[in-house]
Amino acid sequence: EAGVAQSPRYKIIEKRQSVAFWCNPISGHATLYWYQQILGQGPKLLIQFQNNGVVDDSQLPKDRFSAERLKGVDSTLKIQPAKLEDSAVYLCASSLRIAGVGYEQYFGPGTRLTVT
Amino acid sequence: GDSVTQMEGPVTLSEEAFLTINCTYTATGYPSLFWYVQYPGEGLQLLLKATKADDKGSNKGFEATYRKETTSFHLEKGSVQVSDSAVYFCALTPNSGYSTLTFGKGTMLLVSP
Repeated sequence: EAGVAQSPRYKIIEKRQSVAFWCNPISGHATLYWYQQILGQGPKLLIQFQNNGVVDDSQLPKDRFSAERLKGVDSTLKIQPAKLEDSAVYLCASSLRIAGVGYEQYFGPGTRLTVT
Repeated sequence: GDSVTQMEGPVTLSEEAFLTINCTYTATGYPSLFWYVQYPGEGLQLLLKATKADDKGSNKGFEATYRKETTSFHLEKGSVQVSDSAVYFCALTPNSGYSTLTFGKGTMLLVSP
């Protein structure tokens, strides 16, 4: 079974530029998550989708970050314009269901973003 | 809100030594608890989980017991290997509502031959 795919793996941009990350979840997984992992910290949830609808985006900086999952499968996370503090690893995860006891989230390899 | 606190690293051990990484949590109700591992250059992988009090999760020689009375979920392994060198994250998710994970800051483990 293929895992969660993400691209690109690495990206270097200058501040005020824009960038987009792509994620393809495990086939059949209804729920998709984007996390931000700053160096030395645990991942922090940015946004959670159930199929193509947003379930939780309370920690997404909406003035510069946006995300979509148009057909309920793959997803794109965009930052525009980028700031230095956006330098982090952006992790995508998926799970079979949205809620329930102990449902496992499967993580992709992440995209490492460096903003200079 | 929910939170997870892990011991700071790095934890440096020799091969075959005993490992403990402490994890405590604050949460409403009875969350599910997880340990994830992140090897260099890779994404997070679920190592083990426990969904109710007194449950013991185990995998690849690692164990952790869900202790409700001390709100803890400490990770242990009797004999570590060089290949166990990685960053370990303790996490929780509520057992009601959405399955959002709340992570600790992670603990780096370095095992030398």
